[in-house]
Amino acid sequence: QVQLVQSGAEVKKPGASVKVSCKASGYTFSGYYMHWVRQAPGQGLEWMGWINPNSGGTNLEQNFQGRVTMTRDTSITTAYMELRRLRSDDTAVYYCAKGLDHLYHFYGMDVWGQGTTVTVSS
Amino acid sequence: EIVLTQSPGTLSLSPGERATLSCRASQSVSSNYLAWYQQKPGQAPRLLIYAASSRATGIPDRFSGSGSGTDFTLTISRLEPEDFAVYFCQQYGNSPRGFTFGPGTKVDIK
Repeated sequence: QVQLVQSGAEVKKPGASVKVSCKASGYTFSGYYMHWVRQAPGQGLEWMGWINPNSGGTNLEQNFQGRVTMTRDTSITTAYMELRRLRSDDTAVYYCAKGLDHLYHFYGMDVWGQGTTVTVSS
Repeated sequence: EIVLTQSPGTLSLSPGERATLSCRASQSVSSNYLAWYQQKPGQAPRLLIYAASSRATGIPDRFSGSGSGTDFTLTISRLEPEDFAVYFCQQYGNSPRGFTFGPGTKVDIK
């Protein structure tokens, strides 16, 4: 079955970096965009960007440009999201999510990882 | 940038009742670009509807989506106990390219 398994919870100090991984299985990894979405405690969903696993090309939400890097390793069907210069308001659950359709990228995300809690605290 | 507004913020209903959730966009959105998700506490979101009215795989037919332009609706025809959750709408924009979510509607048990 299609599955996304994320790395474990992280606790970081302000100013540090965090790198979250997302291991995909059960489908053609390179065929579908991988999105990253975060959710602060008790808040809504915030889309961070996507990576095209085939080309490695990314599209980042404006607020994250300069602080986020999305990469992938196709040999192990894993996507990564690195967030730098962490602040307390980056405390959130970070999700990876597979794009629904290999062509129509605007359809949304049909399979989600379990989430990775990142806590930023001094 | 298109902003999504959802109403009501909370909807208190009983099992078996009909739920009607609204999502309004600040500018016209292509129907192909509008999706709905369900999220339960401690869980990842689940795609319910894409392209405004197409049910995702495995989604029961009591869930339906409709609308166009700036006004979209998610309807749950008869609430089951497992439907009490938070529902988010999402749109895709071309300028800038990317997704935004609405603030969510919580459906809770009356």
